[in-house]
Amino acid sequence: QKEVEQDPGPLSVPEGAIVSLNCTYSNSAFQYFMWYRQYSRKGPELLMYTYSSGNKEDGRFTAQVDKSSKYISLFIRDSQPSDSATYLCAFRDNYGQNFVFGPGTRLSVLP
Amino acid sequence: DADVTQTPRNRITKTGKRIMLECSQTKGHDRMYWYRQDPGLGLRLIYYSFDVKDINKGEISDGYSVSRQAQAKFSLSLESAIPNQTALYFCASQGAADQETQYFGPGTRLLVL
Repeated sequence: QKEVEQDPGPLSVPEGAIVSLNCTYSNSAFQYFMWYRQYSRKGPELLMYTYSSGNKEDGRFTAQVDKSSKYISLFIRDSQPSDSATYLCAFRDNYGQNFVFGPGTRLSVLP
Repeated sequence: DADVTQTPRNRITKTGKRIMLECSQTKGHDRMYWYRQDPGLGLRLIYYSFDVKDINKGEISDGYSVSRQAQAKFSLSLESAIPNQTALYFCASQGAADQETQYFGPGTRLLVL
């Protein structure tokens, strides 16, 4: 089993749709849960992070973590064409210094 | 100006050639990383450095070497390039107290013929 799995996509939605992006992980030591966004021909940049189970909201974005199921999600409400990008989930434990990234889901929001 | 810069942005080389990819950061971070990104595989760690005298192998270090010339500079070398090293390469930096944020450069697209 891979340490991190992510919905492969690509995903195309109409403008205004609600988008759900998901990752599962196997390492129960992961304590930091992050979503990075990568626009075409750019490096990834941090979008959201959380340390615990539950929801964290930032504008149109909500990050959800379920540690018991080892499952994290990113929801995008009222999606916009500017949200078109690849979304990478990322994880870190309390002891290791390095991140583990998912393979990414490419999202296209069509006007 | 960008906080993390990479040169070159694109490079085409031939099998067996030695090439160097360079990275500089202006954020004053101690930690720097080199990743490669391949379709369907995501970002995989090649090497990382927590300060100038600290170099560590990542998940896929074979065929690569690095040099941390200064706090701000971290270069990646392919001693003898092979076609399966064709990929997108990213450098990143991170502050020691920053648990969740790595700052990435714009990437170098490498093609090995």
